[in-house]
Amino acid sequence: NAGVTQTPKFRVLKTGQSMTLLCAQDMNHEYMYWYRQDPGMGLRLIHYSVGEGTTAKGEVPDGYNVSRLKKQNFLLGLESAAPSQTSVYFCASSYAREVYNEQFFGPGTRLTVL
Amino acid sequence: RKEVEQDPGPFNVPEGATVAFNCTYSNSASQSFFWYRQDCRKEPKLLMSVYSSGNEDGRFTAQLNRASQYISLLIRDSKLSDSATYLCVVNAIYNQGGKLIFGQGTELSVKP
Repeated sequence: NAGVTQTPKFRVLKTGQSMTLLCAQDMNHEYMYWYRQDPGMGLRLIHYSVGEGTTAKGEVPDGYNVSRLKKQNFLLGLESAAPSQTSVYFCASSYAREVYNEQFFGPGTRLTVL
Repeated sequence: RKEVEQDPGPFNVPEGATVAFNCTYSNSASQSFFWYRQDCRKEPKLLMSVYSSGNEDGRFTAQLNRASQYISLLIRDSKLSDSATYLCVVNAIYNQGGKLIFGQGTELSVKP
């Protein structure tokens, strides 16, 4: 089991460029999440998905879009990157709708927007 | 007020010391509580869940006080390998299921 994987691990963009971050999990989890982590702040939820074909906004969704076309994949898109989107992005997954809700995280993508 | 608040530290302690981290949460409806550990530049990983009666896992003890909306983590006999950032995490139930709210983390550095 690879668990949760993320592609790419590092990326540098120029302002206005677009990119897609890919998250894949092989644990057959229903729920998937995208977070960003900035210095001095906790992880903040960008978007999440409760199942294939569904997505919902989290705490900081502006400037991002997501898609969950397959259960095992969750894509995060930046249509027009801005320096404020420089961050470390973590994808996570978990079992469906249970009070005990451990999340399993991918290794992260370090994104710099110049 | 932040939904989950932690003392950011850093806590610098010698090997063998006992150290305690505190965390407060604002949503009284929260049902599940966790401590995650995050090593430098790595992903968070679950350290332990926090149960109402308190629970222990080896050198680690977690306590929950629902009345005061307060969670704690005690580490006894600190090891160099305990150096990491400890994240207090609270599960809040929304319409579409549970979401985790993360504290900013408390940094621990254990010195020889």
